[in-house]
Amino acid sequence: AQSVTQLGSHVSVSEGALVLLRCNYSSSVPPYLFWYVQYPNQGLQLLLKYTSAATLVKGINGFEAEFKKSETSFHLTKPSAHMSDAAEYFCAVSEGYGQNFVFGPGTRLSVLP
Amino acid sequence: GAVVSQHPSWVICKSGTSVKIECRSLDFQATTMFWYRQFPKQSLMLMATSNEGSKATYEQGVEKDKFLINHASLTLSTLTVTSAHPEDSSFYICSVSPPAGQGPNEQFFGPGTRLTVL
Repeated sequence: AQSVTQLGSHVSVSEGALVLLRCNYSSSVPPYLFWYVQYPNQGLQLLLKYTSAATLVKGINGFEAEFKKSETSFHLTKPSAHMSDAAEYFCAVSEGYGQNFVFGPGTRLSVLP
Repeated sequence: GAVVSQHPSWVICKSGTSVKIECRSLDFQATTMFWYRQFPKQSLMLMATSNEGSKATYEQGVEKDKFLINHASLTLSTLTVTSAHPEDSSFYICSVSPPAGQGPNEQFFGPGTRLTVL
């Protein structure tokens, strides 16, 4: 069975500061890993994904994540936070093509001026 | 990314009535669609997997007689909340995943439907 944990339900950073959102997963098979962002009352938008290629994945809006198998982690980072980054972020794991996703509980990112 | 639409985007209904939510895949034919429910300040929880031409697969604890899913075509899946009650008020989101070889391995999400049951 798959599962995802996200440490910190709420993270606050100052504008221009480093963003680090944590994600740890468990999976019985090599996982596919995803980060999605959700703005209020909207669906989910894919930020980036890991599908067994390069372990450092770059996504949209300056975000990137690194897959670390030994740590079963897929933390999301961005060097400099913008006010527009304030949203809910979800990490998700899938066991294969076309399989359902299991989402983490989410982390709400606040960006302070 | 692929476009997935949902209709309606927001619905308010009286307790005891039924509500139908449509999910359309506009960019590719989807043999499988997923339905999720999201309560305020919570994550997405998979409700069911909708399979074109066959019965949906429901997750444990989801009442199949209450949440009727019909996937009659390769581009449309519907979720009907029957005899809705206030505890069914939630944000319902569908997603589609392209068939193997026809697109990237990811899920494309609809914009969601907010259901409020009075």
